[in-house]
Amino acid sequence: DGGITQSPKYLFRKEGQNVTLSCEQNLNHDAMYWYRQDPGQGLRLIYYSQIVNDFQKGDIAEGYSVSREKKESFPLTVTSAQKNPTAFYLCASSIGGPPLDTQYFGPGTRLTVL
Amino acid sequence: LAKTTQPISMDSYEGQEVNITCSHNNIATNDYITWYQQFPSQGPRFIIQGYKTKVTNEVASLFIPADRKSSTLSLPRVSLSDTAVYYCLVGVPAYSSASKIIFGSGTRLSIRP
Repeated sequence: DGGITQSPKYLFRKEGQNVTLSCEQNLNHDAMYWYRQDPGQGLRLIYYSQIVNDFQKGDIAEGYSVSREKKESFPLTVTSAQKNPTAFYLCASSIGGPPLDTQYFGPGTRLTVL
Repeated sequence: LAKTTQPISMDSYEGQEVNITCSHNNIATNDYITWYQQFPSQGPRFIIQGYKTKVTNEVASLFIPADRKSSTLSLPRVSLSDTAVYYCLVGVPAYSSASKIIFGSGTRLSIRP
């Protein structure tokens, strides 16, 4: 089955620890995205990658880092510099070409900082 | 991507038609309009996409007036399972800078028996 997977589904972290969220897609999509969602809120873009080895910061990139070494993988690291990391994190991918660029989302990872 | 404005919430009853409108006054010539649906603790999923006039698929219709400054998602004969948050997104993410990919807060639709 083609799709986008995120792991783990739930993640607990102690304050001061870095943690990496996994995102993998087998849709052969060029573009990948990371969003953060807080309770009752919409999605806010953290990072965006149009192609391998390239990525752009979104509105809330501070305290996060990403890499895009392979087309199918776009891991997100939440560093200790992120002051309020408890949230629901969503990864998405899209073809990255015209004219339609529908985003396909993964099931999400819920991160809780203890 | 153009900034969008949607109602925060809407209520309806099973079997009714529901229309959710999204305003996007500064939509660009090349921008498409896409609607997503999100259930609690899940990732959003694509519902429908269009550029102008009317688009219909098996789950919804999308109406876009000639000036394209707004769009209306129409859900026919809703059921309890349509209770979700609906997001309007305008633009083509692949050709936008990261700062312009804006989902907004969405419309929380509640369907009652």
